[in-house]
Amino acid sequence: GENVEQHPSTLSVQEGDSAVIKCTYSDSASNYFPWYKQELGKRPQLIIDIRSNVGEKKDQRIAVTLNKTAKHFSLHITETQPEDSAVYFCAAMDEKTSYDKVIFGPGTSLSVIP
Amino acid sequence: GAVVSQHPSRVICKSGTSVKIECRSLDFQATTMFWYRQFPKQSLMLMATSNEGSKATYEQGVEKDKFLINHASLTLSTLTVTSAHPEDSSFYICSARVAGGGETQYFGPGTRLLVL
Repeated sequence: GENVEQHPSTLSVQEGDSAVIKCTYSDSASNYFPWYKQELGKRPQLIIDIRSNVGEKKDQRIAVTLNKTAKHFSLHITETQPEDSAVYFCAAMDEKTSYDKVIFGPGTSLSVIP
Repeated sequence: GAVVSQHPSRVICKSGTSVKIECRSLDFQATTMFWYRQFPKQSLMLMATSNEGSKATYEQGVEKDKFLINHASLTLSTLTVTSAHPEDSSFYICSARVAGGGETQYFGPGTRLLVL
């Protein structure tokens, strides 16, 4: 099945700087890659997603890039703010099952220092 | 739109008892719901996929007789932790996918289970 790796596990940046989180996946058949933000004790919130037919997608300060050949994708957050502090999970959809289950990476704890 | 609720939000029980957690899609129909378990400072680990009107599909290593899943309607799935033990203490989160609505999963707020 699908295996998703994520780096770094923790990331500290100064307010206003950019943050980059990188993920790799194992199943070349996967074609849907969501990113979730989870605050402590809360549910994961979808912040952006990308399908394999595009290489980049942007939504205000958040962007995601995808390299299908290399099987890696990245999250870019620009002009970081303290409220961006949370755990971020990348994920990939495992299409080997009939239910299209989503497999999560181990997460990145982002701290934005005011 | 696309709101998922869970009940209860937290539960404390004695070792050996069973606990039922409900997951409801409030404003949409969900043919497929997913149950995850999350230990502190760890990722979401998929336990099982719940399908309306059929048996759930469990991930490798998840005991189906211990974690009973029932998806009796298009808006409700339940997870019952049978004979709970302290090691079952965790954050249980469900998610639902809109029937015919693409890949996006909508997550419930989670249920924190503490087994004494």
